[in-house]
Amino acid sequence: AQTVTQSQPEMSVQEAETVTLSCTYDTSESDYYLFWYKQPPSRQMILVIRQEAYKQQNATENRFSVNFQKAAKSFSLKISDSQLGDAAMYFCAYSYGYGQNFVFGPGTRLSVLP
Amino acid sequence: EAQVTQNPRYLITVTGKKLTVTCSQNMNHEYMSWYRQDPGLGLRQIYYSMNVEVTDKGDVPEGYKVSRKEKRNFPLILESPSPNQTSLYFCASSPGDRDYGYTFGSGTRLTVV
Repeated sequence: AQTVTQSQPEMSVQEAETVTLSCTYDTSESDYYLFWYKQPPSRQMILVIRQEAYKQQNATENRFSVNFQKAAKSFSLKISDSQLGDAAMYFCAYSYGYGQNFVFGPGTRLSVLP
Repeated sequence: EAQVTQNPRYLITVTGKKLTVTCSQNMNHEYMSWYRQDPGLGLRQIYYSMNVEVTDKGDVPEGYKVSRKEKRNFPLILESPSPNQTSLYFCASSPGDRDYGYTFGSGTRLTVV
């Protein structure tokens, strides 16, 4: 079975500091995608960043970057220069096959302290 | 604006009273899916649809029904809601490309008393 684990239910970071959220996944697939979604208090699910398993280069989107370790099946999210608006629930997700095969982790709640 | 619209945003109902949560997307996406979000469990897939009249069960389908009579609409039906269906529900759509991920609706907070 495909599973996604986020071992940190809650984390906090000081404004302007850097924080890393952990994610590991279990799969027998060789071709897949990984995602981080952000869910602020508004409940909206917002795509933060995506990574293709075949690409060794880590994806980056502005202050958000990932550390993708395929052999270790690890996909952590680094948020640099944390802002108050980064406070949210963050979900790691894994997609394989075609379209409907999308598995989410349990989420990490991030607090940003002023 | 490209979006997934689901209604209502909040719903309180009583056990056994049939209800429907509507979902509509304006992006001509092939795939649509329903998820429920519960604390500590993340999002779990209830049902998905690969196209009109094609639906299949996800991980937690018991107690739910869906239909896909038109490409843009994918309603979630609870024939006889029970308190264990109290949850946050999301509709999502995708063109089917694995790198796209999903576009999500704004969620429906359902409480069954």
